[in-house]
Amino acid sequence: SQTIHQWPATLVQPVGSPLSLECTVEGTSNPNLYWYRQAAGRGLQLLFYSVGIGQISSEVPQNLSASRPQDRQFILSSKKLLLSDSGFYLCAWTSSGMNTEAFFGQGTRLTVV
Amino acid sequence: DAKTTQPTSMDCAEGRAANLPCNHSTISGNEYVYWYRQIHSQGPQYIIHGLKNNETNEMASLIITEDRKSSTLILPHATLRDTAVYYCIVRVAYSGGSNYKLTFGKGTLLTVNP
Repeated sequence: SQTIHQWPATLVQPVGSPLSLECTVEGTSNPNLYWYRQAAGRGLQLLFYSVGIGQISSEVPQNLSASRPQDRQFILSSKKLLLSDSGFYLCAWTSSGMNTEAFFGQGTRLTVV
Repeated sequence: DAKTTQPTSMDCAEGRAANLPCNHSTISGNEYVYWYRQIHSQGPQYIIHGLKNNETNEMASLIITEDRKSSTLILPHATLRDTAVYYCIVRVAYSGGSNYKLTFGKGTLLTVNP
């Protein structure tokens, strides 16, 4: 069966520090991968998505970047965190094609102080 | 991209049916309607999806109007644990036609009251 792992679950980082969040998927190949952010009391904002290794699409300009070094690994990074980067970050995957549902990780609660 | 419109919040009594509406008037013929829900501080959970026929599974029923411009998610017997934000989304195409980005609106906060 397919599983998605996202870590860490919580993170407190000072302003200006770097960030690396990792997401891995098991039990499937060539998944579409997604990073979302959810600010407190807000909806899900799509940050990045990837349809293959090294293929990253950015939805909004921001202080973050994403990479996909392996087929089932998706990394969210920042060189210098801002206070506004605080939020709940979620990784998700879908199979290729239209008629498939998305599976989400449990999320990372990031607090920038 | 087809957009969706949902009420911000709804209340439902425990044990009663919860009917959550969604408008997607610009949906195209090959786009599916998906429903997810998000319980506080967890990742969203898939509920159900459909193209044009009504669908039912162990969690809910999905009723899609004949013109496909709107749909309703029905939780037949709501429980307190169904309190969550419910998202109605439409799958849109990413270049190439076989891979898709996935965007969420603000959803409907359903509160099930005892």
